[in-house]
Amino acid sequence: EAGVAQSPRYKIIEKRQSVAFWCNPISGHATLYWYQQILGQGPKLLIQFQNNGVVDDSQLPKDRFSAERLKGVDSTLKIQPAKLEDSAVYLCASSWAATEAFFGQGTRLTVV
Amino acid sequence: SQKIEQNSEALNIQEGKTATLTCNYTNYSPAYLQWYRQDPGRGPVFLLLIRENEKEKRKERLKVTFDTTLKQSLFHITASQPADSATYLCALRTGNQFYFGTGTSLTVIP
Repeated sequence: EAGVAQSPRYKIIEKRQSVAFWCNPISGHATLYWYQQILGQGPKLLIQFQNNGVVDDSQLPKDRFSAERLKGVDSTLKIQPAKLEDSAVYLCASSWAATEAFFGQGTRLTVV
Repeated sequence: SQKIEQNSEALNIQEGKTATLTCNYTNYSPAYLQWYRQDPGRGPVFLLLIRENEKEKRKERLKVTFDTTLKQSLFHITASQPADSATYLCALRTGNQFYFGTGTSLTVIP
């Protein structure tokens, strides 16, 4: 079974630029999550999709972050404009029955 | 406010000993609690799940306890090995969401 795929693995941008991350969840998983993990901290939930509908985006900084899940499969997370404090690893995860989450390897974003 | 706290200090133990990691939470009523392992540069990997009506769960050298009165879970690795060195995260499921703790870094010294 293929795992959760994320791209790119690494990204370096200047502050005020925009960036987008892509995630392809495990086939058949209805739930998709985006987490932000700052160095030395646990993952923080940004947004959760059930199929292509948003279940929870209460911790998503909506003035600069946006996410979509087209056709209930792939998802993109965008930051525009980026700030220095957005430097983190962005993890995508998916689950079938919300009993366990399967994570991708993450995208490490550095904002300079 | 809601909090999930794990051992703030890194844990170093001798090979063969039992490692015990703690996860304390406040202002949550989780349906269940999970433990994940995270290696550097990788995403977390699921290890164990324990439900609110279960006291203890075992899987090979791993054991998890869950005390909803104390609002605490303990995660044990028996006969620890250097390959067990990683960061361990607890996660609570409440509603449809997973919330993660800060993680504990474990180093098993040969």
